[in-house]
Amino acid sequence: AQTVTQSQPEMSVQEAETVTLSCTYDTSESDYYLFWYKQPPSRQMILVIRQEAYKQQNATENRFSVNFQKAAKSFSLKISDSQLGDAAMYFCAYRSNFNKFYFGSGTKLNVKP
Amino acid sequence: DVKVTQSSRYLVKRTGEKVFLECVQDMDHENMFWYRQDPGLGLRLIYFSYDVKMKEKGDIPEGYSVSREKKERFSLILESASTNQTSMYLCASSSLPTVTYEQYFGPGTRLTVT
Repeated sequence: AQTVTQSQPEMSVQEAETVTLSCTYDTSESDYYLFWYKQPPSRQMILVIRQEAYKQQNATENRFSVNFQKAAKSFSLKISDSQLGDAAMYFCAYRSNFNKFYFGSGTKLNVKP
Repeated sequence: DVKVTQSSRYLVKRTGEKVFLECVQDMDHENMFWYRQDPGLGLRLIYFSYDVKMKEKGDIPEGYSVSREKKERFSLILESASTNQTSMYLCASSSLPTVTYEQYFGPGTRLTVT
C-alpha cells in the first residue's frame, strides 16, 4: 500500500521569508498524482498545488512551488515570501491509479509577523 | 466552483446512538470519499464510492457504513456511536482523472460522542 510521510509536525517561518515543507511517499506505481493541500484553522481544505508524476517539470503556482524528485520519491513544497494567511495545516497527498488518495499526517505552519 | 457541503459543522451524540453524516456535491463527480481526521494521524479513509450504489472499504471501515443512493449524495453511518469515534469527519469528491485530478473537500463535521 502507498504511504505518505511528512516528517515535520510543525514549522515556523518569518513573514516574507521562504519555507520548505517535506514529503516523501512510497509506491510501486509509475504513474500517479501528488498534491499539497492547505487547511486553515477552522476552514475548508483547499488545493495548493498538484504535480503529475509523468511530468519532469516542477509545478509552480504563484508563491508556491514544488521540488519533485521521482526517483527519490520526494515531493517538497516551497512557499516564498510567506504571508500571515499562509498559516495553516499542510497535507501532502498521493492519488493512485485506483482513484484512492493517501494523505500524510500534516505539517502545521506558523507565520511570525 | 465545486461545492461540497456537509449537513452539520458540529454534532454531539451519545454512546450507542445511530449517527448519520450527510455529504452533497454539486459537480456531478463520480467519486466520493469519507475521511476522519485526527491530530498527528492526518486523514484516514473510511469508505469511498466510485458510482451510485457502489462502495469500497478504506483503511478504517470498522464501525461505519455508507450509502450512496444518488450520485450527488454520500452518507456515512455510525451504527452505534462510541467515544473513540469522536473526530473530525471530512467528505470529499473527485471526478475522473481525465477531467480533474484533485479532491474537493467539504467543511467537515466535528463529531463528539459522549
